[in-house]
Amino acid sequence: EAQVTQNPRYLITVTGKKLTVTCSQNMNHEYMSWYRQDPGLGLRQIYYSMNVEVTDKGDVPEGYKVSRKEKRNFPLILESPSPNQTSLYFCASTGTSGTGEQFFGPGTRLTVL
Amino acid sequence: GENVEQHPSTLSVQEGDSAVIKCTYSDSASNYFPWYKQELGKGPQLIIDIRSNVGEKKDQRIAVTLNKTAKHFSLHITETQPEDSAVYFCAARRGGGSNYKLTFGKGTLLTVNP
Repeated sequence: EAQVTQNPRYLITVTGKKLTVTCSQNMNHEYMSWYRQDPGLGLRQIYYSMNVEVTDKGDVPEGYKVSRKEKRNFPLILESPSPNQTSLYFCASTGTSGTGEQFFGPGTRLTVL
Repeated sequence: GENVEQHPSTLSVQEGDSAVIKCTYSDSASNYFPWYKQELGKGPQLIIDIRSNVGEKKDQRIAVTLNKTAKHFSLHITETQPEDSAVYFCAARRGGGSNYKLTFGKGTLLTVNP
């Protein structure tokens, strides 16, 4: 089954404790992206990657890092989480040929105390 | 950059009625307009999309219309059912470039009452 997976699905942590949210896709997609979803703000792009070792900032990159060492994986790293990073995070992937449909993962709900 | 406005923010209809959600976009270079449905606890799922070379697209009970001149597009759901209840997001994507970023509207909570 074609899918994007994320782990963990839920995470409660404290300010300053480094964390990583993993994302993996099995569709051999070149493009991957991270969004955060906040009430009243919709979904906003954090970072994206066009291919292995190619990443770039989206609209709200402050406080986040990403890496793309393998085509299927695109982890989101919070080096020093703060309460304003409490949010619902979605990973997405798109094939650069074909329809260009963007597939989303199930989401990770992060709470930073 | 692109800005997408979506209305209404909430919509309540009776089962069997039609529902219409409207979006406007600002960037005339946008050429791809998907609609996503998000159920509680799940990620957004594509339900229909339209490209700028087409004015209307239909898939069973769901249709999308696009007016490039006015820069607006709409989602139409006919014969609504309780399982249509969800949050719906419109989005726009600029053509060309290396970022397949979608700019989303803020969402519409659709409630279909039995």
